[in-house]
Amino acid sequence: DAGVTQSPTHLIKTRGQQVTLRCSPKSGHDTVSWYQQALGQGPQFIFQYYEEEERQRGNFPDRFSGHQFPNYSSELNVNALLLGDSALYLCASSLVGADYGYTFGSGTRLTVV
Amino acid sequence: DAKTTQPNSMESNEEEPVHLPCNHSTISGTDYIHWYRQLPSQGPEYVIHGLTSNVNNRMASLAIAEDRKSSTLILHRATLRDAAVYYCIPNQAGTALIFGKGTTLSVSS
Repeated sequence: DAGVTQSPTHLIKTRGQQVTLRCSPKSGHDTVSWYQQALGQGPQFIFQYYEEEERQRGNFPDRFSGHQFPNYSSELNVNALLLGDSALYLCASSLVGADYGYTFGSGTRLTVV
Repeated sequence: DAKTTQPNSMESNEEEPVHLPCNHSTISGTDYIHWYRQLPSQGPEYVIHGLTSNVNNRMASLAIAEDRKSSTLILHRATLRDAAVYYCIPNQAGTALIFGKGTTLSVSS
């Protein structure tokens, strides 16, 4: 049973560019959350998608946007990249209403130069 | 979101029990207490969660104080593979996990 799959695993972008990261949730899960993790810090919540709608959002600027598709997969888009956007981006999936935890992917390492 | 306080770091020897404490004095009555851990170069991994009663699973035990203002994650016999950052997260069902800084556990042979 595949867990959460994220692509790509590593990415290098230039300041000002735009980037799209992708996430396939664990089979049977319908909710996807995105996190940003800077080196040495805990994951910071960006937003959560359920039924193709943004359900909850953390303290991130509008440059960060997302989408969820009918098959529950999700994309994270970041516009006008800054050096400070360099981080590990994690995707987590869950099943709404289920009494068990989230499953995380291994993340996408984004480097902005 | 409930604020949590965890020690920055803890050390243990292999084969010994480890008790990882967490204070969450502002927890709401409907918040579950989740524990996740993150091994180096990996995403966080679910460990255990509970509401009021103590919980056991194959990975660990969770002891919850009667007033729910604190909890303790218990690893019964630490192994080198348990070296990780452990996060205690009060969480209302259906909402996103909000991570703090966690406790870095080091395990020595």
